[in-house]
Amino acid sequence: DSGVTQTPKHLITATGQRVTLRCSPRSGDLSVYWYQQSLDQGLQFLIQYYNGEERAKGNILERFSAQQFPDLHSELNLSSLELGDSALYFCASSVGADGAYEQYFGPGTRLTVT
Amino acid sequence: GDSVTQMEGPVTLSEEAFLTINCTYTATGYPSLFWYVQYPGEGLQLLLKATKADDKGSNKGFEATYRKETTSFHLEKGSVQVSDSAVYFCALSDWNAGNMLTFGGGTRLMVKP
Repeated sequence: DSGVTQTPKHLITATGQRVTLRCSPRSGDLSVYWYQQSLDQGLQFLIQYYNGEERAKGNILERFSAQQFPDLHSELNLSSLELGDSALYFCASSVGADGAYEQYFGPGTRLTVT
Repeated sequence: GDSVTQMEGPVTLSEEAFLTINCTYTATGYPSLFWYVQYPGEGLQLLLKATKADDKGSNKGFEATYRKETTSFHLEKGSVQVSDSAVYFCALSDWNAGNMLTFGGGTRLMVKP
């Protein structure tokens, strides 16, 4: 158990809908990362937050957004969903924002868009 | 930009065989290098890491050495077990630009008894 929790574990929804994925980092970790794992694109970095502020952005679509709240949990919002958004979404956390800090991954949320 | 290339799988071995999974990288800065393992239905777990050239990361019998001259970080294990069956990801982070990970495509390892 990494100490990172993600909810829900599975999500099935229809095209055009909007969903919210939730992540709680390990106690004491200030940085949260979101990654997408799909058969087409592999594992891709989406976005990073550090202590409530956006720190870095990767290949995140404009239909996707995220935020980190004062209690450090984070939410990833996916809207106008398309079939191609079906993937495993991982959250990871680390102590710091820079440097070779180890990232601890949650179990993931499997999103299926039908 | 940064990228990681690793050998495609699946790699199928018999128990107690020697394992090598090749990984090479391209980076503009001085990255840290990682191997992550993903067991079926689970998230990623850090297996080992190396933060500078010639460092050797090791854990649970797995080893990898950071080779700057060949831009490689090959994963090795002397004697694999059935329980090592999983998908292995090589990754790098350029710590000057945040701590995000750039992953290779993953290599599925299947170990038969």
